[in-house]
Amino acid sequence: AQKITQTQPGMFVQEKEAVTLDCTYDTSDQSYGLFWYKQPSSGEMIFLIYQGSYDEQNATEGRYSLNFQKARKSANLVISASQLGDSAMYFCAMREGQRGGSEKLVFGKGTKLTVNP
Amino acid sequence: DTAVSQTPKYLVTQMGNDKSIKCEQNLGHDTMYWYKQDSKKFLKIMFSYNNKELIINETVPNRFSPKSPDKAHLNLHINSLELGDSAVYFCASSQGKGIGHSPLHFGNGTRLTVT
Repeated sequence: AQKITQTQPGMFVQEKEAVTLDCTYDTSDQSYGLFWYKQPSSGEMIFLIYQGSYDEQNATEGRYSLNFQKARKSANLVISASQLGDSAMYFCAMREGQRGGSEKLVFGKGTKLTVNP
Repeated sequence: DTAVSQTPKYLVTQMGNDKSIKCEQNLGHDTMYWYKQDSKKFLKIMFSYNNKELIINETVPNRFSPKSPDKAHLNLHINSLELGDSAVYFCASSQGKGIGHSPLHFGNGTRLTVT
């Protein structure tokens, strides 16, 4: 069963506008972590933001914020004031496995964001 | 100051050959991983090592053999390459034993093409 679902294969946004990339997750663990990564066309994986399941506040990092709705099991990434350089694949991922042991990141299928000038 | 470095960046080879990909991290991290990204961009874990000890082996064919000579290095050797092995292989590392709230730090990937 898919643990991380990203329902938007592709998204388009105008430069300087905000965009929300959706992510829902499935877990029965009480403690878990959610990560977002960016993969530009050059191929590297860039960490953007982290949200822990016990964090009461939504995570923010510069123009990135995470809209964490625990009851809905969603962790949407919000990018404010989009820039052309934001065009990339975006992956949502969840930490899974025994804490301090066999942990791994499980990734969604990604959303390709295109920022139009 | 490369944190996680993989070599080579590109690897083109024929079916049936044996090849290796090397990975080194200078972050002082204890855990290292291999991930495979397929043609649809889906990322899936293959292996993880903590301080030279194999922790995760995610039902990968026996033709794939990771080797960790020390906690800063994790190499991937692939025997009898098949067309389906064509993918981008990412090495990654994390602090401590596992992930916790720290992100994985990825290398830049090795694009393997099997012809």
